[in-house]
Amino acid sequence: AAGVIQSPRHLIKEKRETATLKCYPIPRHDTVYWYQQGPGQDPQFLISFYEKMQSDKGSIPDRFSAQQFSDYHSELNMSSLELGDSALYFCASSARQGSGSGANVLTFGAGSRLTVL
Amino acid sequence: EDQVTQSPEALRLQEGESSSLNCSYTVSGLRGLFWYRQDPGKGPEFLFTLYSAGEEKEKERLKATLTKKESFLHITAPKPEDSATYLCAVRINFGNEKLTFGTGTRLTIIP
Repeated sequence: AAGVIQSPRHLIKEKRETATLKCYPIPRHDTVYWYQQGPGQDPQFLISFYEKMQSDKGSIPDRFSAQQFSDYHSELNMSSLELGDSALYFCASSARQGSGSGANVLTFGAGSRLTVL
Repeated sequence: EDQVTQSPEALRLQEGESSSLNCSYTVSGLRGLFWYRQDPGKGPEFLFTLYSAGEEKEKERLKATLTKKESFLHITAPKPEDSATYLCAVRINFGNEKLTFGTGTRLTIIP
């Protein structure tokens, strides 16, 4: 079965540089989520998109932005990188089942490891 | 404030030694409690969803249960391949699909 595809898997940047991470959700999934996971930490929610519109926003720095495109893939853009941005960035996708229904499952990608030097 | 707390932080067991992991939550309007398994450097892998108190789900050596305040992940006769970090996450409020994670329990099974 198709999974969530993230690229690149590894990325090394210098401080103050810019990075872009890409996420391709599972086909027919309409919601994409971005999470950041520091070493030994739990995944922290950054932002999500439903049908190409931002649906929720978490602890995403102002230096970061994201969008979801017409083919449902999403990109996370990170500018003015800082050492503390080094982390695993996960994308997850899900298919909503309609309002008031049971919770749906988030499927995670393998992650993109960003190292800022 | 919504909180998800997992305990213990780390657990080492001998192969075959059964135990339980705890996830306690204080949230307004639980709409689902999720268990994920995460191997080092990989994405979380879905295990179970529980919706209401009293619900139980099983998969191989794992069994998840839910009360109004906490969830347990019971592991029976574990094997070394069960070594991983087990994450608990909650979904709250209708119309908000994100998951809020606990800090996880790092489980090590010693052969």
